[in-house]
Amino acid sequence: EAGVVQSPRYKIIEKKQPVAFWCNPISGHNTLYWYRQNLGQGPELLIRYENEEAVDDSQLPKDRFSAERLKGVDSTLKIQPAELGDSAVYLCASWGQTGELFFGEGSRLTVL
Amino acid sequence: KQEVTQIPAALSVPEGENLVLNCSFTDSAIYNLQWFRQDPGKGLTSLLLIQSSQREQTSGRLNASLDKSSGRSTLYIAASQPGDSATYLCAVTGYGGSQGNLIFGKGTKLSVKP
Repeated sequence: EAGVVQSPRYKIIEKKQPVAFWCNPISGHNTLYWYRQNLGQGPELLIRYENEEAVDDSQLPKDRFSAERLKGVDSTLKIQPAELGDSAVYLCASWGQTGELFFGEGSRLTVL
Repeated sequence: KQEVTQIPAALSVPEGENLVLNCSFTDSAIYNLQWFRQDPGKGLTSLLLIQSSQREQTSGRLNASLDKSSGRSTLYIAASQPGDSATYLCAVTGYGGSQGNLIFGKGTKLSVKP
């Protein structure tokens, strides 16, 4: 069974440029999460989806961040425009019925 | 607001030692607690999941305990190996609308020396 797939793995951009990250969760997992992990810190939740509905986006900086999960399967997280402080690893995860969370390998963003 | 603390932040041990990693949380009303492992440049791998009604879980050389009333969990690693070197993160899930939203600690970076 394939795990959570994310792309790109690495992205380097100039500040004020846009960037997008893509995630495909484990098949059959209706719950999808985007987390952000800064260096030396634990992951922090950005947004949680149940199927195509965003049920918790309280920590998503909505002025520059947006996310979508149009068909309840894969999801895209966008930042526009990017700022220096957005440099981090963006992790996607999906939730199985056992309560375990399965993470992708992450997308490492560097904003110059 | 739930806060998760992990002590120590870093730990270095010689191969073969048994060791304990600590995790504490401020709100005891949790749905479950998970321990994860993260290798450099990689995502997180779930090691053990303890439901709120359970006291411990075991997988191979790993044993995790949960004491909800005191807001503590420990991860015990027996006979440590260099391959155990990684960052170990603890995370808790609350109830209700936040169910499924994991709150993470900052992790303990473990180094096992050959």
